[in-house]
Amino acid sequence: DAMVIQNPRYQVTQFGKPVTLSCSQTLNHNVMYWYQQKSSQAPKLLFHYYDKDFNNEADTPDNFQSRRPNTSFCFLDIRSPGLGDAAMYLCATSRALVGVVEQYFGPGTRLTVT
Amino acid sequence: AQRVTQPEKLLSVFKGAPVELKCNYSYSGSPELFWYVQYSRQRLQLLLRHISRESIKGFTADLNKGETSFHLKKPFAQEEDSAMYYCALKRSSNTGKLIFGQGTTLQVKP
Repeated sequence: DAMVIQNPRYQVTQFGKPVTLSCSQTLNHNVMYWYQQKSSQAPKLLFHYYDKDFNNEADTPDNFQSRRPNTSFCFLDIRSPGLGDAAMYLCATSRALVGVVEQYFGPGTRLTVT
Repeated sequence: AQRVTQPEKLLSVFKGAPVELKCNYSYSGSPELFWYVQYSRQRLQLLLRHISRESIKGFTADLNKGETSFHLKKPFAQEEDSAMYYCALKRSSNTGKLIFGQGTTLQVKP
């Protein structure tokens, strides 16, 4: 089945230790998104890629970076995780940006910072 | 500022009762509205979109621009409808950004 895959599902890192979360897709979609969802809060968009074009949300901290080496993969790098970065991180894809396009979500990676 | 408000964190009903999950939005332009659902241990997935004017799993939602609302309704709730429901707004421009409400947990009791 075509889908969005996130690895790992659970990640524990230490305060200040860089961590990378991975997302891959078999949908061949042009757009890939990263959302942060803290406990009992709405998912919040961090950034997205349209093909190789990176689009950062204005309020995304500099501590968060992303890479998209090819169509299928996208990575979320947290350079120096703080306790406040503990959250569920959701990857999503869509075929396009314009129009009524559905976003397909991965299962998420739950990040714990100790 | 664009915002989506879901006033109820938890909605608990009995099986067979009508359900209405409320969603209000603030956006000055023409929005695109969606309902996403997350069943237990499953990923977030699209339930329905306003532009399609469709009924999915018995759920409908009508965009009311006057009241800036997009409430989700189902006349007879089923136990399998128990899930977290998110209302989301997308600007009708060249951005895929979704702005989510905080979600409502629907609990359908037998």
